[in-house]
Amino acid sequence: TQLLEQSPQFLSIQEGENLTVYCNSSSVFSSLQWYRQEPGEGPVLLVTVVTGGEVKKLKRLTFQFGDARKDSSLHITAAQPGDTGLYLCAGAIKTSYDKVIFGPGTSLSVIP
Amino acid sequence: EAQVTQNPRYLITVTGKKLTVTCSQNMNHEYMSWYRQDPGLGLRQIYYSMNVEVTDKGDVPEGYKVSRKEKRNFPLILESPSPNQTSLYFCASSPIAGYADTQYFGPGTRLTVL
Repeated sequence: TQLLEQSPQFLSIQEGENLTVYCNSSSVFSSLQWYRQEPGEGPVLLVTVVTGGEVKKLKRLTFQFGDARKDSSLHITAAQPGDTGLYLCAGAIKTSYDKVIFGPGTSLSVIP
Repeated sequence: EAQVTQNPRYLITVTGKKLTVTCSQNMNHEYMSWYRQDPGLGLRQIYYSMNVEVTDKGDVPEGYKVSRKEKRNFPLILESPSPNQTSLYFCASSPIAGYADTQYFGPGTRLTVL
């Protein structure tokens, strides 16, 4: 059974602070995605990383894919209240198609 | 506007009363999928469809049925709902079957089975 773990499960920080969210598995992924979900809405894709060691930046968000393609991190610099939401990582495993499994999510609350 | 729509958004029903949650996408996507989201468990795939008339079980298919008679529609059917199917349900679509492409999610359907 493939399993994706995320830590921390909950995070509450003050506006302006930095934070890192982790996504870990014992499985190797062909790609890994990060989604953000706001209350009452479906998840929205933030980024896809494909190559081991890859780093992608999206404004104040930095995403890294582990060298072994088993883990990933999301770092947010100078968090803002608009960053509040549930952050989900999703790993793709090669079967007959790219099966995607989701982690349980990290719920982030940024307090003004 | 490119989107995935689901109906209803909220539903309260009783055990055993058959229900259907509709899902429609206007992006001509091949791949469609249903997930349920429960606290601490994340999104778990119920069923998926690679194309019209092609459906397959995901990780938690028990108690659910789907059909894909048209490319744009992918309804989720609960023949005899039970309280353990109380959950938040999401439909998703992506352009190409078989690839971990961007999935576009609907707004969700919150189902309560009493």
